[in-house]
Amino acid sequence: EVQLLESGGDLVQPGGSLRLSCAASGFTFSSYAMTWVRQAPGKGLEWVSSISGSGGSTYYAASMKGRFAISRDNSKNTVYLQMNSLRAEDTALYYCAKGGLGCSSITCFECWGQGTLVTVSS
Amino acid sequence: QAVLTQPSSLSASLGASASLTCTLRSGINVGTYRIYWFQQRPGSPPQFLLRYKSDSDKQQGSGVPSRFSGSKDASANAGILLISGLQSEDEADYYCMTWDSSAWVFGGGTKLTVL
Repeated sequence: EVQLLESGGDLVQPGGSLRLSCAASGFTFSSYAMTWVRQAPGKGLEWVSSISGSGGSTYYAASMKGRFAISRDNSKNTVYLQMNSLRAEDTALYYCAKGGLGCSSITCFECWGQGTLVTVSS
Repeated sequence: QAVLTQPSSLSASLGASASLTCTLRSGINVGTYRIYWFQQRPGSPPQFLLRYKSDSDKQQGSGVPSRFSGSKDASANAGILLISGLQSEDEADYYCMTWDSSAWVFGGGTKLTVL
């Protein structure tokens, strides 16, 4: 069974940093891109970033480029999201999802974690 | 103008059909895009329903009933999620998504109410 478990969410002050983790199991992790999507309280879904299976290709939403960095450790079956210079508007539930690149040939976004909550407030 | 636009709400009767639209921004042709559809119930992560580009390029999510189907309206430049035989558990938020200019883009979501 495919499982994704996010962690690392916390209350952080504006300007602070946080690293989120998403531990995967139940599939060959290195063969799949991974994606982070966020959802502010009461709002819609917003794509954050995607990373290829090898980690060699990364993509970011324009509003997060330069502040956020996605990475992965295939030996640990884990994808990370390093978030710097956090703002109040970054407050959201952050989900990781399986897939996000190369979706012509594989099923993307069929598996999501439960999310981890990031609150940016003083 | 947003890349994908969805009506904020839609109501339909139990047992009836509901057609949820996802309109692409003027100047980009829906025919060339693969449109993803997700359902999200309160307190739960999004669930992948299906993706649709054409009748020969489509995929249903695992375990998703066939009463959920995708199509396109070229004249409206829109992707469509059709839900037939509405059930009470279909009441949820629905999001469309596509890949554009090296980024995934979501629509704002439609809240479906089943009367």
